[in-house]
Amino acid sequence: DVVMTQSPLSLPVTLGQPASISCRSSQSLVYRDGNTYLNWFQQRPGQSPRRLIYKVSNRDSGVPDRFSGSGSGTDFTLKISRVEAEDVGFYYCMQGIERPYTFGQGTKLEIK
Amino acid sequence: EVQLVESGGGLVQPGGSLRLSCVGSGFSFSDYDMDWVRQAPGKGLEWVGRSGKKTTTEHAASVRGRFAISRDDSKNSVFLQMSSLKVEDAAVYYCARDYWGSYEHWGQGTLVTVSS
Repeated sequence: DVVMTQSPLSLPVTLGQPASISCRSSQSLVYRDGNTYLNWFQQRPGQSPRRLIYKVSNRDSGVPDRFSGSGSGTDFTLKISRVEAEDVGFYYCMQGIERPYTFGQGTKLEIK
Repeated sequence: EVQLVESGGGLVQPGGSLRLSCVGSGFSFSDYDMDWVRQAPGKGLEWVGRSGKKTTTEHAASVRGRFAISRDDSKNSVFLQMSSLKVEDAAVYYCARDYWGSYEHWGQGTLVTVSS
């Protein structure tokens, strides 16, 4: 199975400041079609996961542009340019290149 | 609007069985692979298995032989039959629509508690 490793696991951030979460996979997430199947999800307290980013850097409709994804191969990053109160929750990366799909451990973002 | 609604969760004793359902609406159900993902209390997300659009099924190693996924496209539904339940199977179970290795849509989840 592809192992997804996130860091940090806890991320206290001051409102208005940037935040960054790293995700590494145990093997390349580049598929034979040339696409890289790396997703980012946000899970607010008491809610279902919500997709923010797919294929490394494609932001979903309705996701604020302060969220951005980057990376390639096995190293990926989710960045929030200026953290707002509504961003509190857990963030998960997920690989969709092979099943079983696997998730990172999750990063808990909280306001400092 | 795409909607996924799970049901069937509840309290069951270890060794017992439970059947979860997920009904989809707002899209052509038969055109999509449908997955189950679970989240144990205070833990992360774990892929459970899939009902493929060509009725193929796959199951995670942790549930293989105990859980069975099926679907009924005439009812826009996917099912998770869980047997020989263990305490460690307790979780919120989500259904999610897969499209090219990604879950744009998730249900609200249904809680399964395994306890004597």
